[in-house]
Amino acid sequence: QQQVKQSPQSLIVQKGGISIINCAYENTAFDYFPWYQQFPGKGPALLIAIRPDVSEKKEGRFTISFNKSAKQFSLHIMDSQPGDSATYFCAASPPEASGSRLTFGEGTQLTVNP
Amino acid sequence: ETGVTQSPTHLIKTRGQQVTLRCSSQSGHNTVSWYQQALGQGPQFIFQYYREEENGRGNFPPRFSGLQFPNYSSELNVNALELDDSALYLCASSLYTRGELFFGEGSRLTVL
Repeated sequence: QQQVKQSPQSLIVQKGGISIINCAYENTAFDYFPWYQQFPGKGPALLIAIRPDVSEKKEGRFTISFNKSAKQFSLHIMDSQPGDSATYFCAASPPEASGSRLTFGEGTQLTVNP
Repeated sequence: ETGVTQSPTHLIKTRGQQVTLRCSSQSGHNTVSWYQQALGQGPQFIFQYYREEENGRGNFPPRFSGLQFPNYSSELNVNALELDDSALYLCASSLYTRGELFFGEGSRLTVL
């Protein structure tokens, strides 16, 4: 049972454009929603995370938008750069795991063309 | 500060064999989680260890087992290897109360 659905599978954006990746979850008990960035041959690295008590969180060029009623959240990358080319994973965690037991989406391969 | 390190980085086994993967957690972290990442997929939670005991398990059969040692390092053992066990195995450490996961670079297992 896939509890976190991510779209699109792949995304191509021009340098300076906005990259948008969407996720939907099923388990209303989830209370921690991180985004991870993974480069080839590397492990995932935490990019930004949000809890459901806020609707938006911004860190530099990265913003998470969260819609609790729709059970959806999204990652926006502003001013996308070629160095942002990587695979991005959304994830969710139940409260008893304090954010460390994650259910991941299937990933979005982002390519930023120069 | 030392990050999460995993060994070996790559290994090849044949069906039916057993494998042990190792992980050293980041300095100061007391929790280790293991994930399986099949090619082109997101990581899937295998299990988590805290205070040397299993503290949560995903949908994986008992032939996947683990250990955590007093220095918080960990092992993942897989018995009776199957072709579908071919994947990248990721170890992540965290502080139990904070939860932010720090991943290693993984061990790439190929089962022939």
